[in-house]
Amino acid sequence: DVKVTQSSRYLVKRTGEKVFLECVQDMDHENMFWYRQDPGLGLRLIYFSYDVKMKEKGDIPEGYSVSREKKERFSLILESASTNQTSMYLCASSPRQGPLLGVFFGSGTQLSVL
Amino acid sequence: DAKTTQPNSMESNEEEPVHLPCNHSTISGTDYIHWYRQLPSQGPEYVIHGLTSNVNNRMASLAIAEDRKSSTLILHRATLRDAAVYYCILEEYGNKLVFGAGTILRVKS
Repeated sequence: DVKVTQSSRYLVKRTGEKVFLECVQDMDHENMFWYRQDPGLGLRLIYFSYDVKMKEKGDIPEGYSVSREKKERFSLILESASTNQTSMYLCASSPRQGPLLGVFFGSGTQLSVL
Repeated sequence: DAKTTQPNSMESNEEEPVHLPCNHSTISGTDYIHWYRQLPSQGPEYVIHGLTSNVNNRMASLAIAEDRKSSTLILHRATLRDAAVYYCILEEYGNKLVFGAGTILRVKS
């Protein structure tokens, strides 16, 4: 079975902390994505990557950075967490050919910044 | 950016068909239409996609208007497990999926 695994289901951090959200996929996909989901706003794309060491900004990259050192792993970094980054974070992956072969999501990480 | 418009919520009775509409009047000729759904406490999952012709798979059917400015996701017999948020999405350049707010589908027993 296809799998996208996010390291934590729930995470609580303090304002100003550096936060790492990890995502691993086992499908040898080239494309990986980070979204955040907030009530009433749907899913919004933060960053995406088409290959190792490549990254592109999505619609809301401010306050975030990403790292992709290995093909299977895509990390989202909050350099200095703030309360407005409290959200559900979803990682996804797809093959190089893109969504026509499906986009696969993890179960999400609910991050609370206090 | 291409955008979609969906009703905020819909309700259906169990075992009855459900038609979920989506408007995408600014769609371009090469944009695929994708449908995903998100069950409670889970990430979105793929349902179906199409370009011009109607499409069927084991989960649902997708009916696309001739002018492609609207489409309808059809669940032939809704079950309680189909209660979810359904997203109609146009694939944008660069293999990205841009999600809207979706339609909350409630299924009554």
